[in-house]
Amino acid sequence: EVQLVESGGGLVQPGGSLRLSCAVSGFTFSDYEMNWVRQAPGKGLEWVSYISSSGSTIYYADSVKGRFTISRDNAKNSLYLQMNSLRAEDTAVYYCGRGGYCTGSICYSFNAFDIWGQGTMVTASS
Amino acid sequence: EIVLTQSPGTLSLSPGERATLSCRASQSVSSSYLAWHQQKPGQAPRLLIYGASSRATGIPDRFSGSGSGTDFTLTISRLEPEDFAVYYCQHYGTSRFTFGGGTKVEIK
Repeated sequence: EVQLVESGGGLVQPGGSLRLSCAVSGFTFSDYEMNWVRQAPGKGLEWVSYISSSGSTIYYADSVKGRFTISRDNAKNSLYLQMNSLRAEDTAVYYCGRGGYCTGSICYSFNAFDIWGQGTMVTASS
Repeated sequence: EIVLTQSPGTLSLSPGERATLSCRASQSVSSSYLAWHQQKPGQAPRLLIYGASSRATGIPDRFSGSGSGTDFTLTISRLEPEDFAVYYCQHYGTSRFTFGGGTKVEIK
């Protein structure tokens, strides 16, 4: 079964740090691009960050650039999001989402997110 | 960055009725890189439609997508009780993914 399971959320004071993890199973993780998406309470979806299948290409939303770092460990089938200098407006459920993939020499990049994790809640509050 | 505007914000319908949801892009979406996701309370989103009109794996055929350029539509032909949820359109195909603000389909 294809599965994404996030962990690492919690309550942190503004200015603090948190590291989220997304454990993957059921597919060849190293073939797929991955993303983080967040959803503030009662609000819509906001894309946060993208990482290519090899980890060599990374993008961030302007709202988190310079504060958040996405990474992956293909040997451990895991995706990460290091969040520093957290602000109240970062409070949200954070989802990992599977995106594009490579098959043989052909890559389908920046695909729609076809598999989502169940999310982990991050609260930045004093 | 392409901005997606969804309308209406809320759609109040009865089971068995037809639902028509709109997603308008601020500029033309190339190659129909437009997807639709469904989200129920307390759950993660689920991909319904990609490429503007292709159903994802396991999605019932009462869900259909159409449109091109800047105007896209998600249609649910006959609402089932499990279809009452929030629906988001998503632009992809570039390094700047964006989502619309969502349309809530509620029971009338």
